[in-house]
Amino acid sequence: AQSVTQLGSHVSVSEGALVLLRCNYSSSVPPYLFWYVQYPNQGLQLLLKYTTGATLVKGINGFEAEFKKSETSFHLTKPSAHMSDAAEYFCAVSDNRGSTLGRLYFGRGTQLTVWP
Amino acid sequence: NAGVTQTPKFQVLKTGQSMTLQCAQDMNHNSMYWYRQDPGMGLRLIYYSASEGTTDKGEVPNGYNVSRLNKREFSLRLESAAPSQTSVYFCASSELPGQSNQPQHFGDGTRLSIL
Repeated sequence: AQSVTQLGSHVSVSEGALVLLRCNYSSSVPPYLFWYVQYPNQGLQLLLKYTTGATLVKGINGFEAEFKKSETSFHLTKPSAHMSDAAEYFCAVSDNRGSTLGRLYFGRGTQLTVWP
Repeated sequence: NAGVTQTPKFQVLKTGQSMTLQCAQDMNHNSMYWYRQDPGMGLRLIYYSASEGTTDKGEVPNGYNVSRLNKREFSLRLESAAPSQTSVYFCASSELPGQSNQPQHFGDGTRLSIL
């Protein structure tokens, strides 16, 4: 079974500082990985995804993530935080075999706070 | 450009009451999903429908039923609501059944409180 661990349920940074949100996954086969963002009282929006090819993936709003197979990680970064980045972020892995093909397994989420 | 639409947005129920959460998507997607979101738990899959006419249990199906009414609509029913079902419920859809690289598109959620 797939699983996702997000280290740190809350992360606080100052505006302009580096954002680093950590995600490690457990998968017995090469995974497909996703980062979603959730703003208050809204649904989840796709930030970026890794399927195949280049391991550094660029997403919306200046975010990027790097797939590191040896570390089973897919950490999300942004060089300079903006107040509008304050939200909850979810890492997810897709089930890519068998009868549950296409199902997503989510981490527990990381709440990002950005201080002025 | 509606995407995934959920109704109602908010609901308060008494223990033992029943209700149906509605979800419709206008993107001609084949697969649809129901999740619940609880603080510190992320999103957990309740039921999903890989394509019209099929439904399957997810991680936490107990106490729920679903109906894939047609390609657009996927409803979630609570037959006898319990306080443990107080949660935010999200519906999602994706384009192709059984394609693990397809992102899911989410509605804005239904906030359900059961007293």
